[in-house]
Amino acid sequence: DIVMTQSPDSLAVSLGERATINCRSNQSVLYSSNNKNYLAWYQQKPGQSPKLLIYWASTRESGVPERFSGSGSGTDFTLTISGLQPEDVAVYYCQQYYNTVTFGGGTRVEIK
Amino acid sequence: EVQLFQSGGGLVQPGGSLRLSCVASGFTFSSYGISWVRQAPGKGLEWVSAISGSGENTYYADSVKGRFTISRDNSKSTLYLQMSSLGAEDTAIYYCAKAINSFSIFGPKGYWGQGTLVTVSS
Repeated sequence: DIVMTQSPDSLAVSLGERATINCRSNQSVLYSSNNKNYLAWYQQKPGQSPKLLIYWASTRESGVPERFSGSGSGTDFTLTISGLQPEDVAVYYCQQYYNTVTFGGGTRVEIK
Repeated sequence: EVQLFQSGGGLVQPGGSLRLSCVASGFTFSSYGISWVRQAPGKGLEWVSAISGSGENTYYADSVKGRFTISRDNSKSTLYLQMSSLGAEDTAIYYCAKAINSFSIFGPKGYWGQGTLVTVSS
């Protein structure tokens, strides 16, 4: 099984500042035949279902604000929130879909 | 508009069984693989099972293999999760989730049901 490890577990960021969340897989999720990373990011607010933010490691889902961006390749990935807004307070999960599905443990983002 | 409406959760005794349902609308149901994902109270997301659009191919997490059965009725646009030999560790909110594209069963899940709580307790 592919294990996804997120860091940090939580972080507090001032409004308008940048939040950076890391995700590492124990094996590559880059599919060589199409050069795509099978990595997605989700946001989950309290009491709500998860919401897809990013897929193919860096493709923003329709309707997701531009302040959310994804980067990385192979085994190391990053979700960046550029200019944290109050509505961004949530738990964020990475997920690989290279081999079935596994999620990272989640990162809680709060306002400092 | 894509919608996934779940039902079937509740309280069940250890060792018992329960069936969850997920009724879909707004897309060609038989063209998409769909997954079940669960979340224990205060914990993270855990993928449980997935099924191909035709229903021919099914996949399970090791934690539920042999106890849970995923199925679908494409004529009713409905997904099921039959759960048996339930234990306290199965207590969670269960979500059905659909990929954004039709070519990958496990692909990025852009549509989620509202979730249904399963509580295993005596």
